[in-house]
Amino acid sequence: AQSVTQLGSHVSVSEGALVLLRCNYSSSVPPYLFWYVQYPNQGLQLLLKYTTGATLVKGINGFEAEFKKSETSFHLTKPSAHMSDAAEYFCAVSGRMSNTGKLIFGQGTTLQVKP
Amino acid sequence: DGGITQSPKYLFRKEGQNVTLSCEQNLNHDAMYWYRQDPGQGLRLIYYSQIVNDFQKGDIAEGYSVSREKKESFPLTVTSAQKNPTAFYLCASSSTGSSGNTIYFGEGSWLTVV
Repeated sequence: AQSVTQLGSHVSVSEGALVLLRCNYSSSVPPYLFWYVQYPNQGLQLLLKYTTGATLVKGINGFEAEFKKSETSFHLTKPSAHMSDAAEYFCAVSGRMSNTGKLIFGQGTTLQVKP
Repeated sequence: DGGITQSPKYLFRKEGQNVTLSCEQNLNHDAMYWYRQDPGQGLRLIYYSQIVNDFQKGDIAEGYSVSREKKESFPLTVTSAQKNPTAFYLCASSSTGSSGNTIYFGEGSWLTVV
């Protein structure tokens, strides 16, 4: 069965510092990989996704993620944090061999940005 | 504007009552989903539907029911059999039910049992 692990339920960075949110998956076949962001009291918004091709994926708001098959990872990064990046971030997977599009989510990481 | 509309945003329910959460999309998407969100547990799939008049149970379907009579609508009923229904509920949709398609989310509905 597939699973997703996000290391660190809370991450705190200073404004202007590097943001690194970690995501590892467990799957015999590399899945499709997604990162979503959720602001308080709102739904989820897609930041980026990896399906095939280039392993470094660029998303919205300056975020990017790199798929590393050997490490079964899909970590999310941003070179310089802004106060507006404070939110909860979810990594999710969808099985390549699945006949449904349902997503399996990690437990989420809350990003705090300090001035 | 195209999107997914959930209503109501906040709902209070007395124990023993059924309640229905509405979800409507005008994206012409075939597939629709219901997720439940609890603090520290991420999102868990309740039900999903890949086509009109068909739906499947997700990981936590007990105490919930759905219908898919129209392509644009996927209401969720939280029954009195659901033991701990207080949560944030998210409806979502994707163009098809195929794996890898982007899933888009509504703004969510808060359900509180009083």
